[in-house]
Amino acid sequence: EPEVTQTPSHQVTQMGQEVILRCVPISNHLYFYWYRQILGQKVEFLVSFYNNEISEKSEIFDDQFSVERPDGSNFTLKIRSTKLEDSAMYFCASRRFSYGYTFGSGTRLTVV
Amino acid sequence: GQQVMQIPQYQHVQEGEDFTTYCNSSTTLSNIQWYKQRPGGHPVFLIQLVKSGEVKKQKRLTFQFGEAKKNSSLHITATQTTDVGTYFCAGPRGIQGAQKLVFGQGTRLTINP
Repeated sequence: EPEVTQTPSHQVTQMGQEVILRCVPISNHLYFYWYRQILGQKVEFLVSFYNNEISEKSEIFDDQFSVERPDGSNFTLKIRSTKLEDSAMYFCASRRFSYGYTFGSGTRLTVV
Repeated sequence: GQQVMQIPQYQHVQEGEDFTTYCNSSTTLSNIQWYKQRPGGHPVFLIQLVKSGEVKKQKRLTFQFGEAKKNSSLHITATQTTDVGTYFCAGPRGIQGAQKLVFGQGTRLTINP
């Protein structure tokens, strides 16, 4: 079964540093998302991406965040200057049409 | 904005007992989706319900979508240890095509073997 692949699985970074989280969505999917989940809490929407541009972004997704799909396969989330409160599990997800999302296994980001 | 509420937050049962989680939306939904997240894992899509009053079954799991399309439930009959995890409902929000999912808080199911 096709999978959404995320790397790295775990990233530890110092406060103020930039991080890039990488995702390879399923190849024939059209809509791409980043979600995050703080430990033990619900899954929160960050940003959606369709047709090579951002469709919607949440209040969390401020100027420190950006997304790119540089080469038609990879989908990246960049946090320019990490804060302690950015520590969370970040999930990439994709879908083809109006059906369920396929989530990647996530990147656990720890900001110290 | 649209909110999706789930109860209970936690449920602990003996293996073999039934389990139900309930989901309510503040707005009418075009569809509702259910996901399961095993401990340390990622959300895995279980099912999507679209029609008012729809009931779907997957083995021991029964999913219902309310007549008003604002509430839903997941019922597990005779739980097994493999059912452990957090069950999330999620409703789409936004314009068709560019919709995002709004998740409920989830119900964490633990099972005593």
